Amino acid sequence: GIQVEQSPPDLILQEGANSTLRCNFSDSVNNLQWFHQNPWGQLINLFYIPSGTKQNGRLSATTVATERYSLLYISSSQTTDSGVYFCAVVNNAGNMLTFGGGTRLMVKP
Amino acid sequence: EAQVTQNPRYLITVTGKKLTVTCSQNMNHEYMSWYRQDPGLGLRQIYYSMNVEVTDKGDVPEGYKVSRKEKRNFPLILESPSPNQTSLYFCASSLRVVSYEQYFGPGTRLTVT
Repeated sequence: GIQVEQSPPDLILQEGANSTLRCNFSDSVNNLQWFHQNPWGQLINLFYIPSGTKQNGRLSATTVATERYSLLYISSSQTTDSGVYFCAVVNNAGNMLTFGGGTRLMVKP
Repeated sequence: EAQVTQNPRYLITVTGKKLTVTCSQNMNHEYMSWYRQDPGLGLRQIYYSMNVEVTDKGDVPEGYKVSRKEKRNFPLILESPSPNQTSLYFCASSLRVVSYEQYFGPGTRLTVT
């Protein structure tokens, strides 16, 4: 099956810093989403981004499907950004969603 | 409000006692699926359903059953739970699996003793 790798696995930032999270996938994909899992365990949709670039406030994402990677940018980080960030892709058969291992982010005040 | 709901949110049970975790969505989505999340292993797909009466195994289906008799509901059944099924479970839905974003329920934390 498709492999999804995220880096870095852990990240500690000072409040106000910027960061880039990466998601690599091993095959061409139909969908790609970024999620934030907050400290209470809830999965929150950030971006649906199979290709191109999107922005939502301090967050933006870029997917280069031909090169099989996606990037999530967090600017001016806040303590509320803490949690785990996951990317997930749908395989080419179009029936299953596979998650990466996540990046655990801690933003310190 | 468009949402995916799961019940119960928390459950502690004993080995071998059958249980069902319900999942319901109000968005008329065709695709629904179940995941488990374990430390160090991330989220893994248990079962999915492309539409009513159409279900299939994901990556880790052993010990679980599902049914899809109605479009809105997709219950997860553990016929004889074991301690290795202690996990955080998520239900998700999307209009179709391809080209549409997935919406996740709030999660069910299950402990099997």
